[in-house]
Amino acid sequence: QKEVEQNSGPLSVPEGAIASLNCTYSDRGSQSFFWYRQYSGKSPELIMSIYSNGDKEDGRFTAQLNKASQYVSLLIRDSQPSDSATYLCAVNMSPSGSARQLTFGSGTQLTVLP
Amino acid sequence: GAGVSQTPSNKVTEKGKYVELRCDPISGHTALYWYRQSLGQGPEFLIYFQGTGAADDSGLPNDRFFAVRPEGSVSTLKIQRTERGDSAVYLCASSPLGGANVLTFGAGSRLTVL
Repeated sequence: QKEVEQNSGPLSVPEGAIASLNCTYSDRGSQSFFWYRQYSGKSPELIMSIYSNGDKEDGRFTAQLNKASQYVSLLIRDSQPSDSATYLCAVNMSPSGSARQLTFGSGTQLTVLP
Repeated sequence: GAGVSQTPSNKVTEKGKYVELRCDPISGHTALYWYRQSLGQGPEFLIYFQGTGAADDSGLPNDRFFAVRPEGSVSTLKIQRTERGDSAVYLCASSPLGGANVLTFGAGSRLTVL
């Protein structure tokens, strides 16, 4: 059973809209959560990290975490065509955060239509 | 170096052959990770080095896979008796302090086994 689940998409939104990407995870003790962006043919790059319940905002990106529901999401406001990429949710599944590996979801492919 | 460097960028080999993939991490990063990414999937953890030693090799799929980091910098992933199922992009990542929380990925080595 996959430990980090994402809708594979593709998700299409018009330019300027809000894109909402969702992720659930199986390990209730997980403490660290990350969103990576991966352009086609490129390597993943970290765009957001979140450790506490609630919202964390960085520019047009907002990460939301609900540990009780084992749910983490990424909102992209004012979506741009340059945001078109695959978004990977990653979870550090160690209660102390000391695990030396991340578990990645399969990614959600986002297309922002001009 | 300025980023994580991986060579070769592409490798095509025949079933049963031996392959080496090289990773040169960011200068000063003590932690080095190998991941494997198949088409349409998220990266899958293979092995983690802290310094010269393999701190966690639980992700290596079988004994055909082996990795070394003899001087605590450059790492080589070695695959013996390659199989078609080994075809994937092999990603290397490094981080400064050994936590899994801030990974910088290289561009990857795309391995195709015919």
